[in-house]
Amino acid sequence: ETGVTQTPRHLVMGMTNKKSLKCEQHLGHNAMYWYKQSAKKPLELMFVYSLEERVENNSVPSRFSPECPNSSHLFLHLHTLQPEDSALYLCASSPDRGYNEQFFGPGTRLTVL
Amino acid sequence: DAKTTQPNSMESNEEEPVHLPCNHSTISGTDYIHWYRQLPSQGPEYVIHGLTSNVNNRMASLAIAEDRKSSTLILHRATLRDAAVYYCILRDPFQGAQKLVFGQGTRLTINP
Repeated sequence: ETGVTQTPRHLVMGMTNKKSLKCEQHLGHNAMYWYKQSAKKPLELMFVYSLEERVENNSVPSRFSPECPNSSHLFLHLHTLQPEDSALYLCASSPDRGYNEQFFGPGTRLTVL
Repeated sequence: DAKTTQPNSMESNEEEPVHLPCNHSTISGTDYIHWYRQLPSQGPEYVIHGLTSNVNNRMASLAIAEDRKSSTLILHRATLRDAAVYYCILRDPFQGAQKLVFGQGTRLTINP
């Protein structure tokens, strides 16, 4: 257990659905991250939040909408996704955005039909 | 971001040492060398990091070449639980928000 939890662990959705992924960290960290891991592709950084402020958006399409209401919670809101968005979505946190070690959650396996 | 090159896969036996190589010929003077691993059905897990000197922790050792163009992650006594994909990543802490750029990594198989 890394102290970073993600729910749900698995999600199947249609292209017209709206769903949200949730990440929670119990480590008192100030920085949180969303990554995407597609089959046969390396992990890709999507978003970085530091003290609840988005500090990086890695050219992610607007159908992915992050939200960080406080330093312990991070959401990824999904709408009108495409089948190619099917992937493992990983959340991570670190004490601050300059810290060397990131702590990852187990991920949400998303399938878009 | 400076690029790293790792073998796609490696195989070793339980209770033997494992040496995982990483080439990073374009490393800059401020890049730290990080290693993460991803066990099956889990998120990545930090292993170790270093700048110039060799580093040891409870999980592994990191040997860094004198010219810093390559490094080796050493698992001193592999167990079945060490079977994972190992990622070698360069990161410049002066670039602002921490950005880990993952490559394809090395898939390590441990034989009983």
